[in-house]
Amino acid sequence: GAVVSQHPSWVICKSGTSVKIECRSLDFQATTMFWYRQFPKQSLMLMATSNEGSKATYEQGVEKDKFLINHASLTLSTLTVTSAHPEDSSFYICSARLTASPLHFGNGTRLTVT
Amino acid sequence: DAKTTQPTSMDCAEGRAANLPCNHSTISGNEYVYWYRQIHSQGPQYIIHGLKNNETNEMASLIITEDRKSSTLILPHATLRDTAVYYCIVRASTNTGNQFYFGTGTSLTVIP
Repeated sequence: GAVVSQHPSWVICKSGTSVKIECRSLDFQATTMFWYRQFPKQSLMLMATSNEGSKATYEQGVEKDKFLINHASLTLSTLTVTSAHPEDSSFYICSARLTASPLHFGNGTRLTVT
Repeated sequence: DAKTTQPTSMDCAEGRAANLPCNHSTISGNEYVYWYRQIHSQGPQYIIHGLKNNETNEMASLIITEDRKSSTLILPHATLRDTAVYYCIVRASTNTGNQFYFGTGTSLTVIP
């Protein structure tokens, strides 16, 4: 149980375009979803927290207009990287949880901006 | 911000127990200790969590000291597939709710 599916697993896009990443909880309803970013040889950095039906809360230093998060249902959250640039190339990972339960992670999306 | 400190790296012989320490000296009374691991280029995998009692599941055991300022994750019989980065996380409660902040973790290498 507690499977989190992330799509796509990898994407290559040109500079200036936007990319959408989907995160789904397959066998449970996630009250909260989190988005992380991880650069090579570094730890996971929390970008934002989203609760279904409300605006995401972004961590300090994360541009909310650049990283658009939509949590439209209890099983789906999306992260859109707008006007992507090479410095946005990274490993993006989503996670989901029920209240008071461990966090379960997707398998990540490798974004490469050329 | 991460509130845990872990050694940067450790080695363990295959078949032996791997003991991964974590310090969390500022832990609050209602905060849990969670352990996750990340195999290269995958999302983190949940291992175990605890509040103050020792815990055991099919993957590992978690030993928490009586003062709760440190803990140890034990993989009883390490295999090559246990090579990963292991993260110890103290769950922080904030107004925006229960974020999980990752520290630098311990890179465990299981040696044949």
